Amino acid sequence: AQRVTQPEKLLSVFKGAPVELKCNYSYSGSPELFWYVQYSRQRLQLLLRHISRESIKGFTADLNKGETSFHLKKPFAQEEDSAMYYCALRGDYGGATNKLIFGTGTLLAVQP
Amino acid sequence: DARVTQTPRHKVTEMGQEVTMRCQPILGHNTVFWYRQTMMQGLELLAYFRNRAPLDDSGMPKDRFSAEMPDATLATLKIQPSEPRDSAVYFCASGFRREVNNEQFFGPGTRLTVL
Repeated sequence: AQRVTQPEKLLSVFKGAPVELKCNYSYSGSPELFWYVQYSRQRLQLLLRHISRESIKGFTADLNKGETSFHLKKPFAQEEDSAMYYCALRGDYGGATNKLIFGTGTLLAVQP
Repeated sequence: DARVTQTPRHKVTEMGQEVTMRCQPILGHNTVFWYRQTMMQGLELLAYFRNRAPLDDSGMPKDRFSAEMPDATLATLKIQPSEPRDSAVYFCASGFRREVNNEQFFGPGTRLTVL
């Protein structure tokens, strides 16, 4: 079964500290992984996707197939990074659907 | 700036009443998703349409929930009768199936409170 696990509901760090939001997935094939972010009073939006291998707002995420993980990292947290972060999986790469399976989300709180 | 729109933004109703939520996907998108967001479960997929046809509604309680796309510019999610446990934020998202990045664009959500 396809599943996304985000073990932390809340992650609180101080400004300037490194951040790592954990995401593990369960899927036997070749998945596509995404990170979506929801800032306060804003709609959910795509932050980054693993196939792009890009850095957005200082965030990066590397797909580790051996550990089935897609952790989101940023070396120095900023207060404006405070938001809810969702990891998502599309398990039918190149297939007939673009249905996403989301984790339960992690609320990142960056303290001044 | 094309965006997914949802109405109403907030809905408070009493248990047993019918609730209808509406979504206008981005023009040209051929996939529409309905999600429910709660603190405990996060984002749960309720239903998924492609080219207006329902492809997957396995996440939706069939006895009280129904989802339709009467035309390409309107998707509806109906709860009848509503119950307090249905209180949540309901999101609609749209996308284009053949787009390489498979990005989904989310609406602002409908915050439903069932008393």
